[in-house]
Amino acid sequence: NAGVMQNPRHLVRRRGQEARLRCSPMKGHSHVYWYRQLPEEGLKFMVYLQKENIIDESGMPKERFSAEFPKEGPSILRIQQVVRGDSAAYFCASSLVGQHEQYFGPGTRLTVT
Amino acid sequence: QQQVKQSPQSLIVQKGGISIINCAYENTAFDYFPWYQQFPGKGPALLIAIRPDVSEKKEGRFTISFNKSAKQFSLHIMDSQPGDSATYFCAALDNAGNMLTFGGGTRLMVKP
Repeated sequence: NAGVMQNPRHLVRRRGQEARLRCSPMKGHSHVYWYRQLPEEGLKFMVYLQKENIIDESGMPKERFSAEFPKEGPSILRIQQVVRGDSAAYFCASSLVGQHEQYFGPGTRLTVT
Repeated sequence: QQQVKQSPQSLIVQKGGISIINCAYENTAFDYFPWYQQFPGKGPALLIAIRPDVSEKKEGRFTISFNKSAKQFSLHIMDSQPGDSATYFCAALDNAGNMLTFGGGTRLMVKP
């Protein structure tokens, strides 16, 4: 019974490049959430998606960030034109319909040089 | 932004002792309060959670105490072990059920 899977686990990008982070939810889970964790800080909500729908993106920066959860395949968090301030750990969580419990993946640690 | 305030930021406890971490919230629409445990380089793992209609919940050595009127809740780790050394986060989910709002975390060290 695989948990939430994220890849890559580590990603290094130069300023101005694009970063693509992938998340496969737990089996049977159709709700996906993305959170960002800056060093020595708690997690901050970014976006909540269901299959083919963005439900709540109130935590997403207005520019350069986008997310999708297609009908087939993993959820993708995309960061265009990365800057040093984007360096953080990005976590994906998933949940079952109607359940509050959110289960987290191992995260992708993005470093922008 | 809705806030959850967590204290202390760091905690050192002797093996066998009780670790206590406290959280306070403002938003009365919060209705689900989980605790997560995070080891370095890993994702947060759901430890235990409580709803506001219950004042206490216990699972093994972990207990959540909840005070609805004071808008506070706490995690107690009984018989703390070196393997419990990790960062602990409290969180809260509002009744819209979308985003978790996290506390700032408590770094726990249990000394052998």
